[in-house]
Amino acid sequence: DAGVIQSPRHEVTEMGQEVTLRCKPISGHNSLFWYRQTMMRGLELLIYFNNNVPIDDSGMPEDRFSAKMPNASFSTLKIQPSEPRDSAVYFCASSPGTRQSDTQYFGPGTRLTVL
Amino acid sequence: AQSVSQHNHHVILSEAASLELGCNYSYGGTVNLFWYVQYPGQHLQLLLKYFSGDPLVKGIKGFEAEFIKSKFSFNLRKPSVQWSDTAEYFCAVNAANTGFQKLVFGTGTRLLVSP
Repeated sequence: DAGVIQSPRHEVTEMGQEVTLRCKPISGHNSLFWYRQTMMRGLELLIYFNNNVPIDDSGMPEDRFSAKMPNASFSTLKIQPSEPRDSAVYFCASSPGTRQSDTQYFGPGTRLTVL
Repeated sequence: AQSVSQHNHHVILSEAASLELGCNYSYGGTVNLFWYVQYPGQHLQLLLKYFSGDPLVKGIKGFEAEFIKSKFSFNLRKPSVQWSDTAEYFCAVNAANTGFQKLVFGTGTRLLVSP
């Protein structure tokens, strides 16, 4: 039974380049979440979707960040242009429903380094 | 807005010692509470959660947590730790009855169990 799949697992890029992170949620799950983990700020929610619709994007740091969910099995998080302070581990998670008590299942993360 | 405090950033124990990790949250309303664990090189996974009912919650691998509403606490316990419990532990909260699934995480506690 496949869990949440993220790609790439590691990304190294130079400042100013566009970065696209990808996520495939668990099949049948209705909610998808993007988190960022840094030493300074810990684990923080960037945005989440219910049934492919963005619900809360208040955690998106600035206009350089954008996220899409074109269908139930795929989401992207894009950073354009990237900056060194964007270096972090980005996690995608999915949950089976839209209830607040639903467990969120996390992917392995993408470690992003912006030089 | 909710916040979560995990006061112990690093804990070192010997095998068979008892464990208690503190978690306090700030939110005046009803909450759902979660403990996640991240083993070295692995993704976050749920240990246990509380959303209603018995405030003493039992999770996987012998862990339990007790919700004490008057103290705004949800401490994690295990009577006898094993070397394989070496990991980082995260407490998280969301505000129940708001419709939002946003999880707010604490900064995590790194547990090292020496054999």
